[in-house]
Amino acid sequence: GQQLNQSPQSMFIQEGEDVSMNCTSSSIFNTWLWYKQDPGEGPVLLIALYKAGELTSNGRLTAQFGITRKDSFLNISASIPSDVGIYFCAGLYGASGTYKYIFGTGTRLKVLA
Amino acid sequence: DGGITQSPKYLFRKEGQNVTLSCEQNLNHDAMYWYRQDPGQGLRLIYYSQIVNDFQKGDIAEGYSVSREKKESFPLTVTSAQKNPTAFYLCASSMAGNQPQHFGDGTRLSIL
Repeated sequence: GQQLNQSPQSMFIQEGEDVSMNCTSSSIFNTWLWYKQDPGEGPVLLIALYKAGELTSNGRLTAQFGITRKDSFLNISASIPSDVGIYFCAGLYGASGTYKYIFGTGTRLKVLA
Repeated sequence: DGGITQSPKYLFRKEGQNVTLSCEQNLNHDAMYWYRQDPGQGLRLIYYSQIVNDFQKGDIAEGYSVSREKKESFPLTVTSAQKNPTAFYLCASSMAGNQPQHFGDGTRLSIL
């Protein structure tokens, strides 16, 4: 079945550093989404990507839809303490009437002040 | 404000008891979803509904039931057949099946 590999699983960084994380799969996806989840809360949508090669920014966040459609990347520039949380990717597969998203296992980010 | 409201925030279940988790949205979205989240794992799909009065099983539907009688409401019942119900349950909605999903703030279910 469909599977997403998200890496790294966790990372500790210093405030001000840039962060990179990615999701890869052996399957092709039609849409990639990136979410951030704070403890005890629901995931919040950060960026949506709809075309292979697409590069989209949201403030200090930049995400890319891989050319092969099997991967996606999220970068955070100049990290700040409130960037702490779990970042999830999600890939859309299927056809009309049977669309589903599959979620990665998350990257837990901790920022050291 | 438009959004997705899940209630209660915390819920406790006794052995042999069914419990129902509420999910309401005022975004006028057609599709609604229920996910289960366990520590260190991604979200796993329990049930989803693309339109009112219709729903399909997800990857882990056993021990759960849903209804979709109104567009804005998609309640999830955790039955006594679900032997390991302790988890964080997330409800989501989207304009259509291929559109980004937006999540509520979750319900944490624990066993007494």
